[in-house]
Amino acid sequence: EDQVTQSPEALRLQEGESSSLNCSYTVSGLRGLFWYRQDPGKGPEFLFTLYSAGEEKEKERLKATLTKKESFLHITAPKPEDSATYLCAVQGNKYGNQFYFGTGTSLTVIP
Amino acid sequence: NAGVTQTPKFRVLKTGQSMTLLCAQDMNHEYMYWYRQDPGMGLRLIHYSVGEGTTAKGEVPDGYNVSRLKKQNFLLGLESAAPSQTSVYFCASSYSSNQPQHFGDGTRLSIL
Repeated sequence: EDQVTQSPEALRLQEGESSSLNCSYTVSGLRGLFWYRQDPGKGPEFLFTLYSAGEEKEKERLKATLTKKESFLHITAPKPEDSATYLCAVQGNKYGNQFYFGTGTSLTVIP
Repeated sequence: NAGVTQTPKFRVLKTGQSMTLLCAQDMNHEYMYWYRQDPGMGLRLIHYSVGEGTTAKGEVPDGYNVSRLKKQNFLLGLESAAPSQTSVYFCASSYSSNQPQHFGDGTRLSIL
């Protein structure tokens, strides 16, 4: 069964304290892995797409990596404005190449 | 830059009532999607469309209907609302099937 598991569910960091979020997945025919950021009361905002194992993408303090079984979102020297829920989604080959979303990691960065 | 716009933003219904949620995108995307987001669960796909005039079922389609009469609009209908349909509904669109989906800010729906 296709599924996505994100850990931890919640993470509190001091400003400047680097850490990583994990996204483990099982999917038939991976077509892509997507990271999103979601602020309270808003829709998910696209961050990165990764298509193959070994691929890495960076944007400001965020870096996403991909292996055959999981992806990591590394946050370097986070700031309070990085506080949000980070969602991982994998795209399989069912339901018109459906996206399967994890439940997210709620990140709080304390000044 | 409007992107994906959803209306209404909030709605309260009584059990058995019907309503339609509207999604509009101005990015000329072919693909459009309706999701629901519930506490402790990931976004789940209700229905999707791969182009004007086409619709298809997603993971959790029961109790919902959709229509895509115009390329820019995707409507989600609840025929007879049930408390189990209390949720936040998100619409998304994408240029093609394996491109990132862009989301609206959601409709918060409560069924009493």
